[in-house]
Amino acid sequence: AQSVTQLGSHVSVSEGALVLLRCNYSSSVPPYLFWYVQYPNQGLQLLLKYTSAATLVKGINGFEAEFKKSETSFHLTKPSAHMSDAAEYFCAVTYTGGGNKLTFGTGTQLKVEL
Amino acid sequence: DVKVTQSSRYLVKRTGEKVFLECVQDMDHENMFWYRQDPGLGLRLIYFSYDVKMKEKGDIPEGYSVSREKKERFSLILESASTNQTSMYLCASSLGPVSSGANYFTNSYEQYFGPGTRLTVT
Repeated sequence: AQSVTQLGSHVSVSEGALVLLRCNYSSSVPPYLFWYVQYPNQGLQLLLKYTSAATLVKGINGFEAEFKKSETSFHLTKPSAHMSDAAEYFCAVTYTGGGNKLTFGTGTQLKVEL
Repeated sequence: DVKVTQSSRYLVKRTGEKVFLECVQDMDHENMFWYRQDPGLGLRLIYFSYDVKMKEKGDIPEGYSVSREKKERFSLILESASTNQTSMYLCASSLGPVSSGANYFTNSYEQYFGPGTRLTVT
């Protein structure tokens, strides 16, 4: 069965600093990986996805993630944090034949300070 | 744009009540999902459906049932609400496999979420 682990339930960065949110996956077959963002009192919105094409994936709002098979990682980065990036971020995994289900991590709350 | 709507944003019910949470999507998606979200636990799948009248249990189906009579609508039912069902409930939909030619299908797996229903059971 596939799973994802998000290291750090809370991350705090200064405005303008690099954002790095960590996600490691476990899957015995090639995975499809996703990052979602959730703003307060809202549903989840897709940031970006990896579907076995380019390993560096660019998403919305200046975020990107790199698929590293050797490290089983799919970390989310943004070069310069903005106050509006404060939200909860979820990593998710699935695979071909996985029944269209996504398995989500436990989430990372990002705080951006002045 | 895909739109997933949920019948209520906030709901307060009493222990033992029967509770219906409704979800509607407008993009002709095959698959629909119900999750609950609790702090520190992320999203946990309750039930999902890949076709009308079809349903499968997710990771935490106990105490819940679902109904999908029409493709666009997926209902979550709490037969007898309990305080440990106080949570945020999220509905999602996804397109499912799309034919790209003879015997070849692609699948984006991407799920689209509704705004959530925050249910409090007292």
